[in-house]
Amino acid sequence: EIVLTQSPGTLSLSPGERATLSCRASQSVRNTYLAWYQQKPGQAPRLLIYGVSSRATGIPDRFSGSGSGTDFTLTISRLEPEDFAVYYCQQHSSWPLTFGGGTKVEIK
Amino acid sequence: EVQLLESGGGLVQPGGSLRLSCAASGFTFNNYAMSWVRQAPGKGLEWVSSISANGYSTYYTDSVQGHFTISRDNSKNMLYLQMSSLRVEDTAVYYCAKDWGDLNNWFGPWGQGTLVTVSS
Repeated sequence: EIVLTQSPGTLSLSPGERATLSCRASQSVRNTYLAWYQQKPGQAPRLLIYGVSSRATGIPDRFSGSGSGTDFTLTISRLEPEDFAVYYCQQHSSWPLTFGGGTKVEIK
Repeated sequence: EVQLLESGGGLVQPGGSLRLSCAASGFTFNNYAMSWVRQAPGKGLEWVSSISANGYSTYYTDSVQGHFTISRDNSKNMLYLQMSSLRVEDTAVYYCAKDWGDLNNWFGPWGQGTLVTVSS
């Protein structure tokens, strides 16, 4: 099983700032099969990024993904008020599919 | 517009059974794999099970293997999760999620979820 560790657990930032979220895998994620989701309180998760760096339909270009092997990053270039939420990474490379524990981006 | 509507959640005693349903609309259901993902109260996301577009291939996380069964009825655009021998640790919101293709294994969109509470 691929274990995904996200850091930091909480990121306190102001609107307009850059957010950098990390996701580290316990073993290499083949074929760059890594996705990112956003979840707001009381809502279902929303797909942001798949295949490490491909944005899902309708996702603004301030969201970008990068990385390879075992180290991956989600970057939000300039935080908008609606971006304060919890973010999860997920590997879709091998069974069982696994999620990271999440990073909460909160308003400073 | 893609819509996924879960139902069937509720309060059940340990050892009991429950069947979750997910009604899908707005897309060609039999072209896409489907999955269940759960979230315990205040916790993160946990993948539970996936089923291929034609229903012939199924996958489970170890903790539910043997007591959960995923199925689908492509004639009715319905996804199911039969849960038996339920344990307290199965308490969670259960989300139905559409695959991006046939077992591409990333998910979007998701339903709003149905809460399953296992308690005596």
